[in-house]
Amino acid sequence: GESVGLHLPTLSVQEGDNSIINCAYSNSASDYFIWYKQESGKGPQFIIDIRSNMDKRQGQRVTVLLNKTVKHLSLQIAATQPGDSAVYFCAERNSGYALNFGKGTSLLVTP
Amino acid sequence: EPEVTQTPSHQVTQMGQEVILRCVPISNHLYFYWYRQILGQKVEFLVSFYNNEISEKSEIFDDQFSVERPDGSNFTLKIRSTKLEDSAMYFCASSENRDTGYEYFGPGTRLTVL
Repeated sequence: GESVGLHLPTLSVQEGDNSIINCAYSNSASDYFIWYKQESGKGPQFIIDIRSNMDKRQGQRVTVLLNKTVKHLSLQIAATQPGDSAVYFCAERNSGYALNFGKGTSLLVTP
Repeated sequence: EPEVTQTPSHQVTQMGQEVILRCVPISNHLYFYWYRQILGQKVEFLVSFYNNEISEKSEIFDDQFSVERPDGSNFTLKIRSTKLEDSAMYFCASSENRDTGYEYFGPGTRLTVL
């Protein structure tokens, strides 16, 4: 069936480096994509979103890139900080109400 | 900043018992959701609720599950006869609208079925 998945289950980066978290999706009808951050014991927290009519969107220290040709989504975090350590999920929605989440990438920021 | 709240934070129950998980969505939001996350796995959609009715549900949301908005502020998820496999984190979420808004998630209720 249609699925959203992540390329790497864990990512370790040094403080101050840039992080890139990747996500592949298979539903070409998806028109809305979100990145969520989940810290231990907490609910998913919105980071940034992008619609299918865009290929790039920037926020504060974060950038989301969407490549519809290869159905790939990435989250770039600039100058990664220890507080960025968490699990990151991509999620997509097509015509319905449900968000379809990927499996998550654990980001570990080391000093 | 407004937030979604959930109670209780942790619920322990015996298999076969009924549980009700409670949520207070953000006050001006119109769309409400329940998701669950089994330990170590991804977040899974259960149900969405709009205009006092279910707008979409997943295969997980079978006859054992029901949702209700009993008043203007609460949104509940009831599991009639809990099974061991219902043990998970249950997240409530709400959004202002579907087309242009993202879901705000609550902190979750950890349900443990013994």
